[in-house]
Amino acid sequence: EVQLVESGGGLVQPGGSLRLSCAASGFSFSGYNINWVRQAPGKGLEWVSYISSSSRTIYYADSVKGRFTISRDSAKNSLYLQMNSLRDEDTAMYYCARDLPHWAFDIWGQGTVVTVSS
Amino acid sequence: QSALTQPRSVSGSPGQSVTISCTGTTSDVGGYNYVSWYQQHPGKAPKLMIYNVSERPSGVPDRFSGSKSGNTASLTISGLQAEDEADYYCCSYAGRYTFVFGGGTKLTVL
Repeated sequence: EVQLVESGGGLVQPGGSLRLSCAASGFSFSGYNINWVRQAPGKGLEWVSYISSSSRTIYYADSVKGRFTISRDSAKNSLYLQMNSLRDEDTAMYYCARDLPHWAFDIWGQGTVVTVSS
Repeated sequence: QSALTQPRSVSGSPGQSVTISCTGTTSDVGGYNYVSWYQQHPGKAPKLMIYNVSERPSGVPDRFSGSKSGNTASLTISGLQAEDEADYYCCSYAGRYTFVFGGGTKLTVL
């Protein structure tokens, strides 16, 4: 079965750090670009970051640029999101999503919840 | 990276058709034929329904169709069914490996 499984979410204080993971299975992880997308409680979807299959191309939304770092380890079939200097507004469900080669997200994980609060 | 504009809610009776609009700019919707649509039921992850403006992934019913004119994309659901009740989000490629989503539309099946 093709799937993505996120982990690493939790409660963190403002200014703190957290590292999210996304484990892929059922497909050739190294051949796909992957994204992080988040959804604040009761709000819409927000694209966060993109990483190409080779890790050569990386982009971030302006809202997280300079604070978040995306990376991947093809040997472990895993994607990561290092989140530093966390703010209240980073509170959200974080999804990893596979990039269908048409700039669309065809496979999503179940998400992991990040809560930033003192 | 301003969000695309969608109506907050739409509704229709079973069997009817509804259309959800998604308005952007020449930098996103109008500039690329890479508009996608996602269905999200409460507590669930989004599901891809349409990509490349009007293409359906395998397994998505042909009751779902997409189109685009200028800076506005549309999702039409015909033959509404109770299970179509969900939130729907449009998304557009915005150049330089970035994406922008719409604010979401709540579809109610009356």
